[in-house]
Parts: sequence; C-alpha cells; structure tokens
Amino acid sequence: LAKTTQPISMDSYEGQEVNITCSHNNIATNDYITWYQQFPSQGPRFIIQGYKTKVTNEVASLFIPADRKSSTLSLPRVSLSDTAVYYCLVRSPGNQFYFGTGTSLTVIP
Amino acid sequence: EAQVTQNPRYLITVTGKKLTVTCSQNMNHEYMSWYRQDPGLGLRQIYYSMNVEVTDKGDVPEGYKVSRKEKRNFPLILESPSPNQTSLYFCASSPGQINTGELFFGEGSRLTVL
Repeated sequence: LAKTTQPISMDSYEGQEVNITCSHNNIATNDYITWYQQFPSQGPRFIIQGYKTKVTNEVASLFIPADRKSSTLSLPRVSLSDTAVYYCLVRSPGNQFYFGTGTSLTVIP
Repeated sequence: EAQVTQNPRYLITVTGKKLTVTCSQNMNHEYMSWYRQDPGLGLRQIYYSMNVEVTDKGDVPEGYKVSRKEKRNFPLILESPSPNQTSLYFCASSPGQINTGELFFGEGSRLTVL
C-alpha cells in the first residue's frame, strides 16, 4: 500500500525557500504524486502533481527522483500566508488515496 | 461555479440518532470519496466510489454507510452515531483519470456526537 511519510512540522523565515520531502516506498507504476495545502477548517487544496523528474508551476516545484520512492515539494520565498499543513498524496493500487498526517509549516516573520 | 457542496457544515447530535451528511458535486466527476480528519491522525478515507452504484471501503469504514445512486451525490450515513465519530468530515471528487490524484474538496462538516 502506497502510504506516505512526511516530517510532522517545519519552521521557516519569510523569504526563504522551503523543501518538504515525502517518502512513498510502495508507489504503483502508474501513480502520480500530488501535493495539497490545507488551512485550518478548510478543505485541502491542490498545489502540484507530477510523475517523474521535475514539475514547476506558479506556486511550487516538485522534484521526483528516478526510483520515485520519494518526492520533494519546494516553495520559493515563502510568506506568512504559506503557513499551512502540506500533504503528499499517492493513489494506492486499490484505488484509495492515502494522505499522511501532513507537514505543518510555520512561516516566521 | 465548479464546487463540492456539503451539508450541514456544523451539527451537534446525540448518540444513536441517525444522521446523513450530504455531498454534491457539479463537475460531472466519476470519483467521489469521504474523509474524516482528527488531530494527530491527518485525513483518513472512509469510503469511496468510482462511479454510480460502485462503492468501496477506505481505511476507516466502521460505523458509516454510503450510497451512490446518482453521479453528483454521495451521502454519508451514520446509522447510530457514537462519540468517537466526532470529527471534521470532508467530501471530495475527482474526474475520471484517477491516477492523477487531483481531488476537489468540499468545505467540511464538523460533527459533534454527545
């Protein structure tokens, strides 16, 4: 089962780059890796997804090594509004989506 | 506006009183699912549905039922709620390409069972 492991929490100062790594040892061949952001009392919101190598959008970058057993979400120059919980998600072969406990990012002024 | 709508958003009930949390999506998505979120446990999947009349158990299905009679609706039923079902519940939907993993979430339903 493609369960994920992430650090529980991270702190960063405003303006710094933040990298959050997720481990997913049992990812299936056809699965994508997706990252979500969640603010308190709101539903998670899609940030970025990828299959391999590197993906970049206006919000973040996603780095996936060749073996795909991990992935790293990179947030450039974070601001206070980036304080949230970040989830790494893969789909298991049984069509279930597994969220981990997420990484609580706190951006410090 | 494309969205996933849950009702009620907040509910306080008592043990054993049957309740239903509705979920509706207007994006013609085939896949729908329910999650509960508890402190320190993250998001855990309760049930999911790949299409109409097709439902499957997730990680924590005990004490819950679902139905998928129509594509747009996926209600979560608690036949006899208990205090350990006090939680924040999220409904989500996804278009047909399940492998991409892009889920659209509702705003959540906070349930308290006394």
